[in-house]
Amino acid sequence: DTAVSQTPKYLVTQMGNDKSIKCEQNLGHDTMYWYKQDSKKFLKIMFSYNNKELIINETVPNRFSPKSPDKAHLNLHINSLELGDSAVYFCASSQAGTGVQPQHFGDGTRLSIL
Amino acid sequence: SQQGEEDPQALSIQEGENATMNCSYKTSINNLQWYRQNSGRGLVHLILIRSNEREKHSGRLRVTLDTSKKSSSLLITASRAADTASYFCATLRGNQFYFGTGTSLTVIP
Repeated sequence: DTAVSQTPKYLVTQMGNDKSIKCEQNLGHDTMYWYKQDSKKFLKIMFSYNNKELIINETVPNRFSPKSPDKAHLNLHINSLELGDSAVYFCASSQAGTGVQPQHFGDGTRLSIL
Repeated sequence: SQQGEEDPQALSIQEGENATMNCSYKTSINNLQWYRQNSGRGLVHLILIRSNEREKHSGRLRVTLDTSKKSSSLLITASRAADTASYFCATLRGNQFYFGTGTSLTVIP
């Protein structure tokens, strides 16, 4: 059983479009995250979220917004896609107590902007 | 801002040899974690070392932490072709995780 699953695995779209990436975890974790990994493999935290608090990395454009319908899901909505948004986006989750527990990652969504 | 920096960026060794990669960071940390990323996959947690620990072992992995030098090392002993992957250190500052750019390890059979 996949612990953290993301869909779609690949996403190719035109500049200016709006798209969503879905993430689900079946680990019963309280905290979920979104990361962006660029072509040089640099991994940057975008958001961390539990049912009490959303922490936003201040460098993330407000075109990106996380939406959590319930504790097991954290979707990522991106408006007005730009060329620079091309990257691999990873969802992750961990037990409560950010930083003390290991994070479990999905296999990523490869976003390509044409 | 980027917190961890792994060194070297790339490492190529023969199967059976040991692989050592290093991580340096800039500010005080609560703990440091090492992750592995196979090509096309997500990161997998390997080991966590707390700021009051100096060394930790897990199977063929040995991690050290020197908080005075703000550095950590990951040693993989008796490497196998399946160890080929990128390895990242992650540090916690406040309640945000910061990853380095990783060391790309190739183990030649």
